[in-house]
Amino acid sequence: AQSVTQLDSQVPVFEEAPVELRCNYSSSVSVYLFWYVQYPNQGLQLLLKYLSGSTLVKGINGFEAEFNKSQTSFHLRKPSVHISDTAEYFCAVRPDSNYQLIWGAGTKLIIKP
Amino acid sequence: DTEVTQTPKHLVMGMTNKKSLKCEQHMGHRAMYWYKQKAKKPPELMFVYSYEKLSINESVPSRFSPECPNSSLLNLHLHALQPEDSALYLCASSLGLAGAPFFGPGTRLTVL
Repeated sequence: AQSVTQLDSQVPVFEEAPVELRCNYSSSVSVYLFWYVQYPNQGLQLLLKYLSGSTLVKGINGFEAEFNKSQTSFHLRKPSVHISDTAEYFCAVRPDSNYQLIWGAGTKLIIKP
Repeated sequence: DTEVTQTPKHLVMGMTNKKSLKCEQHMGHRAMYWYKQKAKKPPELMFVYSYEKLSINESVPSRFSPECPNSSLLNLHLHALQPEDSALYLCASSLGLAGAPFFGPGTRLTVL
């Protein structure tokens, strides 16, 4: 069975500081990986996805993530955060053998002024 | 048009009411989804339609009834709901079942 672990339920960080949100997964088959962001009282927005190719994936709003197959990780990074990045961030994986997304529990990014 | 729209934004209903949630997309996507999201939790898949046919039903109670009238529209009919059904209901669509879902803004449902 596949699972996704987001190690931090909350990550507080000062404005303009770098941030890393961690995501690890377990799967016996190949997976595709996604990061979504949910701003307060809104739906989910796709930040970036890894399907194949380069392991460093660039997304919207200055975010990027790196797929590490040996570590089974897909951590999300941003070099300098802004107040507007305050949101819930969800990591999700889709096994190659299945069409359904498996979601992590989410990480709340809190930006301190 | 690159978005998924949902109506209404908010809905309050009693346990004996019948209501419907509506979802629309004009991106040519052939897969459409209903998700339920409780506060501070990830979304839970309810139903998936592929080419207007119900593809996945995640053991959802029969008081929730999906309908896909055409390739752009998806409805969720609600009847005799319980207070624990209060949640954010999200519609999503993707090019095909293998694509990343694009989500709508959701309908915030409160059952009294």
